[in-house]
Amino acid sequence: QQQVKQSPQSLIVQKGGISIINCAYENTAFDYFPWYQQFPGKGPALLIAIRPDVSEKKEGRFTISFNKSAKQFSLHIMDSQPGDSATYFCAARGNYGQNFVFGPGTRLSVLP
Amino acid sequence: EPEVTQTPSHQVTQMGQEVILRCVPISNHLYFYWYRQILGQKVEFLVSFYNNEISEKSEIFDDQFSVERPDGSNFTLKIRSTKLEDSAMYFCASRGGRGRNIQYFGAGTRLSVL
Repeated sequence: QQQVKQSPQSLIVQKGGISIINCAYENTAFDYFPWYQQFPGKGPALLIAIRPDVSEKKEGRFTISFNKSAKQFSLHIMDSQPGDSATYFCAARGNYGQNFVFGPGTRLSVLP
Repeated sequence: EPEVTQTPSHQVTQMGQEVILRCVPISNHLYFYWYRQILGQKVEFLVSFYNNEISEKSEIFDDQFSVERPDGSNFTLKIRSTKLEDSAMYFCASRGGRGRNIQYFGAGTRLSVL
């Protein structure tokens, strides 16, 4: 129940394309869903986050879509750029605790 | 922009030795965390710390691990007797007060146990 599943494991997109990464969870107590971006040798950096009371949040080229009934959420990167090439982790936080449960990550490569 | 600082960036140690990983969280933050990431794998929660005590810990955080905030600014992770499988990146994170969800991560310490 503490797991967050993430797919695909790796993704290759052409410059200007749309990158889509999907996550799913089981624990209905999760109440906060961040996405982190990690470059090699660096720590995860918060990209965008959503709470379950909204179905979509957009910040620049990044959009989270959230489906509470299906317990799924996804990250969409519009107009993908080579600089977006990184590993992306979805995560979830339960309101009974403060730690994050991370998905296994998606390695995104945006080709020039 | 304030950031979480971790030292050293790389620590090499012999199996069975004690190591201390150091973190300086963002100055007005109240919640502190350690995570680890084995090479190529996902980030895993170890422990959270609030009000000078552990608030939550995972099954990874056994008796070999301890955390401390010795002087109100540093936040340390000690591994008493390192094992080969402790080799990983260790990330410190901090968060502001209640209602502030964002956890800010440091750049990590790469621990190599030989």
